[in-house]
Amino acid sequence: DGGITQSPKYLFRKEGQNVTLSCEQNLNHDAMYWYRQDPGQGLRLIYYSQIVNDFQKGDIAEGYSVSREKKESFPLTVTSAQKNPTAFYLCASSMLGNMNTEAFFGQGTRLTVV
Amino acid sequence: SQKIEQNSEALNIQEGKTATLTCNYTNYSPAYLQWYRQDPGRGPVFLLLIRENEKEKRKERLKVTFDTTLKQSLFHITASQPADSATYLCALLASGGSYIPTFGRGTSLIVHP
Repeated sequence: DGGITQSPKYLFRKEGQNVTLSCEQNLNHDAMYWYRQDPGQGLRLIYYSQIVNDFQKGDIAEGYSVSREKKESFPLTVTSAQKNPTAFYLCASSMLGNMNTEAFFGQGTRLTVV
Repeated sequence: SQKIEQNSEALNIQEGKTATLTCNYTNYSPAYLQWYRQDPGRGPVFLLLIRENEKEKRKERLKVTFDTTLKQSLFHITASQPADSATYLCALLASGGSYIPTFGRGTSLIVHP
């Protein structure tokens, strides 16, 4: 089945630690995105990538880093510089140049700082 | 600044009625507007897209309208069912090529049997 997979579903981080959230898609999509969702808030864009080996900052990139070494994979690292990392993280992908531009989302990773 | 507004209060309706959700925006020139459904603890799922030159789009029990003069989209679910209970998000994709979805905070819909 084609889709987008995030792992793990739940992640606990100690203060000062870096953690990496995985996102893999087999939809052959060029574009991939990371969003953060806080309770009662909309999705806020962290980073996006439209081509391998290239990515752009979104609205709230501080304290986060990404890589795009393969078309299928777009991991997100939450660094110790992110002061309030507890949130629900969503990865998405979409086709470029497609008039429908529908975004497909993973099931999310809930990150908690302990 | 750019803003997308959806009613933060939950919408409670009785089964069988039509639910109407609103998405207003300011300082945007969207090429497309999308609606997604999100269930608790899960990622959003795409429902419908409407283009800036379209007034209305339908899919089964769903209808979306788009008024670029009012800067507003309405999302209707007819003959609503308890299974329609979820949060509904609107997303705007601006013209200019990148088409990165920018989301509102969503409105929770609760359909009572």
